[in-house]
Amino acid sequence: EVHLVESGGGLVQEGGSLKLSCAASGFSFSDSFMHWVRQAPGKGLEWVGRIKSRGERYATAYVEPVKGRFTISRDDSKNTAYLQMYSLKTEDTAVYYCTRQLTGSAGFDSWGQGTLVTVSS
Amino acid sequence: QSALTQPASVSGSPGQSITISCTGTSSDVGGYNYVSWYQQYPGKAPKLIIYDVINRPSGVSNRFSGSKSGNTASLTISGLQAEDEADFYCSSFTSSSTWVFGVGTKLTVL
Repeated sequence: EVHLVESGGGLVQEGGSLKLSCAASGFSFSDSFMHWVRQAPGKGLEWVGRIKSRGERYATAYVEPVKGRFTISRDDSKNTAYLQMYSLKTEDTAVYYCTRQLTGSAGFDSWGQGTLVTVSS
Repeated sequence: QSALTQPASVSGSPGQSITISCTGTSSDVGGYNYVSWYQQYPGKAPKLIIYDVINRPSGVSNRFSGSKSGNTASLTISGLQAEDEADFYCSSFTSSSTWVFGVGTKLTVL
């Protein structure tokens, strides 16, 4: 069974940094493209970014508002993906979900439970 | 990249069918057959119910179906049930090799 568990969320001051982790199990993590999606309180889903597999040179992509501030990485030996967030803004306050891209498709077929990041002013 | 347009809310009675639209541009919805739909209950993670416009993951009810015409994708739920009441989001791959979600639609089962 596919399992994704996010951790690392919490309260941080504006301008601060935080690193989220996504521990994966139950599938071939190293072959999978992993994404981060966030949801501000009471708001809709927003795609944050993606990291491809080693075969695709770990290519990353990000949504415009986080470019230059967020970095996605992965450690295939630990079956873990990361979201490093710098220069946090109050508008980054959200539940952050880790999700797996369905192979050969653009859908996200497995999601973690999410971890809440709160940025205070 | 602007969020895809969805109606804020839709409603229907048990047994009826409803359709939720998702409108984008030729750079996302219209340009690729990579539209997905997600169902989300309050406080829970989203669940994939349709991918690549028309495909259902294993275990998803065949009451859910997807389609696309031009820059607009649609999700149809037939034989509406009380348990279908949730928020629904569409998503599309884009020409920038990024993804964009719709604003979300709240489904109420009357």
